[in-house]
Amino acid sequence: NAGVTQTPKFQVLKTGQSMTLQCAQDMNHEYMSWYRQDPGMGLRLIHYSVGAGITDQGEVPNGYNVSRSTTEDFPLRLLSAAPSQTSVYFCASKTTAQNSPLHFGNGTRLTVT
Amino acid sequence: AQTVTQSQPEMSVQEAETVTLSCTYDTSESNYYLFWYKQPPSRQMILVIRQEAYKQQNATENRFSVNFQKAAKSFSLKISDSQLGDTAMYFCAFMRKSSGDKLTFGTGTRLAVRP
Repeated sequence: NAGVTQTPKFQVLKTGQSMTLQCAQDMNHEYMSWYRQDPGMGLRLIHYSVGAGITDQGEVPNGYNVSRSTTEDFPLRLLSAAPSQTSVYFCASKTTAQNSPLHFGNGTRLTVT
Repeated sequence: AQTVTQSQPEMSVQEAETVTLSCTYDTSESNYYLFWYKQPPSRQMILVIRQEAYKQQNATENRFSVNFQKAAKSFSLKISDSQLGDTAMYFCAFMRKSSGDKLTFGTGTRLAVRP
């Protein structure tokens, strides 16, 4: 059982480049989300989805796009990378049962130069 | 908006001793959930323990237990018989029952267990 799989694990981009961080889960979870982790700031919610075809903004959505065409996949797109987007990105999923925990991927470390 | 505060950026404990990590939160909600997550150097986020606000009994998971004080909006984590593998960053997190599964995290406490 793979759980939540994120690719790539590391990425270096130049300012202005675009890329997609991939996230897939095999647990049939309805809810998926993206967080970024920065030193001294904990994890902050970027975007989330409560099911296929439904997405919504979190706390820090600017500069990021998402889509949810299937239950399994929830890619995060950076259209024009900026140095401020240098961070560690986590994808997470859960069932919609209210006290169920988030299951996290292993993260992607992104550096924008 | 909810806020979660972890006032101890770093802590250290001797192996086999007990350590308590602090967490306070601010909310006007009455129904919510609280979590502690562990992030070892591998970067993986691991759920340690969770508490439902309407339950007065403190949650316990083996060597990990919480002291949940609802009126004081406090949710501390106690680690007993600390082990070297407990060395990690620990995050406290809050989720409103009506928030659509969104978690608000604290800034974390880095715990070092000394041999």
